[in-house]
This record gives sequence, structure tokens and C-alpha cells, in this order.
Amino acid sequence: AQSVTQLGSHVSVSEGALVLLRCNYSSSVPPYLFWYVQYPNQGLQLLLKYTSAATLVKGINGFEAEFKKSETSFHLTKPSAHMSDAAEYFCAVTRSSGNTPLVFGKGTRLSVIA
Amino acid sequence: SQTIHQWPATLVQPVGSPLSLECTVEGTSNPNLYWYRQAAGRGLQLLFYSVGIGQISSEVPQNLSASRPQDRQFILSSKKLLLSDSGFYLCAWSSGQGANEQFFGPGTRLTVL
Repeated sequence: AQSVTQLGSHVSVSEGALVLLRCNYSSSVPPYLFWYVQYPNQGLQLLLKYTSAATLVKGINGFEAEFKKSETSFHLTKPSAHMSDAAEYFCAVTRSSGNTPLVFGKGTRLSVIA
Repeated sequence: SQTIHQWPATLVQPVGSPLSLECTVEGTSNPNLYWYRQAAGRGLQLLFYSVGIGQISSEVPQNLSASRPQDRQFILSSKKLLLSDSGFYLCAWSSGQGANEQFFGPGTRLTVL
């Protein structure tokens, strides 16, 4: 079985500061990993995905994530937070083989303080 | 390009009334389709998913049901709504291939009074 743990249900940063959202996964087979963003009253938008091609993955809006197998982590970072980054962020995992749904974490709400 | 539609965008229904939410996908064939619910302050709960017409997998037993009458149409229904059915309902699709990433619709906000 696969699972995702997002550490911190709410993270608050100052505008211009580093954004770090933590995600740890559990998987008995090589995983595919994803980060999604959700703005209020909207659907989820794919930020980036890891599919084993490269451990450092760059996504949209200046976000990136690094796959660390030894730490079973896939943390999301952005060097400088912008007010528009305020949203809910979800980490998700699925098997790298087979046609199975993504398993989502419980989400982390990011607040950006001016 | 692919597009996913959901309607209605918002819905207010009395307890005990029926429900029908519709989701359609354009620009792809034989997609995997999903229904999720987000209750206030909670994460995503996978309700149903389908890998083909007439093939529905239920993840959580409850008073909701899903149907897939056409390749790119996914319907979420209930015969009698409960207060606990209130939430934000999201439909998603994936190709079923490669990384199988999911693409989400805009959602339906359901309030049961």
C-alpha cells in the first residue's frame, strides 16, 4: 500500500522568504510523485511530477521538488514566496506500474504575509 | 487539448432530495475518471473511479453512487441527500498510461440544508 504524509497542515511565510512544504511517502514499489496546488473554490492544478527521469523536478510558478529515496521525501520549495502563492498544496503518490489512482496527502495550507 | 467540465458549479439542496452531478471530458478517449469529495477543512476523499464504460470502483461505502453511461461522461448520484453530503465535489481524469497524473475539473460546491 502507498501513503503520503504532509508535515504541517498550515505553513506561514513572509513575502520573499523561502517556501518549504514537506512530503514523505511510503511505497513498496518505485513511486511516481506529484504536487498539486488548489486555490479557493477551484480544482487542483498539477505543479510538477517525478517519474524517475531526474531527482530534481522543476514545475510551474517557480516551484521545484527533489526526490530523495534515502529519506523517502519529496519536499516542495520555492526560493521567494509571492502573495499569489497562498493556496492549499497537496502531495500525491502512485505506483510506477499499473493503472491505479493517486493517493493524496491531507494538504498544507500556505499563507504568505506581506 | 483536453478539457474537463463539471456542472452545476454550485448547488443547494434540502435533506432527503436526490442529487445528480455531471462531469464530461473533451479531447481524449477512454480516460480514467474519478470523483472526489472535500469536506470543510479536510483533504481529498476518493469516492469512485472508473477505467471504462460501466466499470465503477467504489472506495467508500455511503449513500452515493456513480455511473459512466458514455466513455467521457461520469455522473455522481444520490437518491436521498444527508447533511454530511455537503462539500466540494471534484471530478478528475487521467490517461491510464505513463505517470497517470490526474487533471481536475473546477468542482461543484454542494450545500445540503
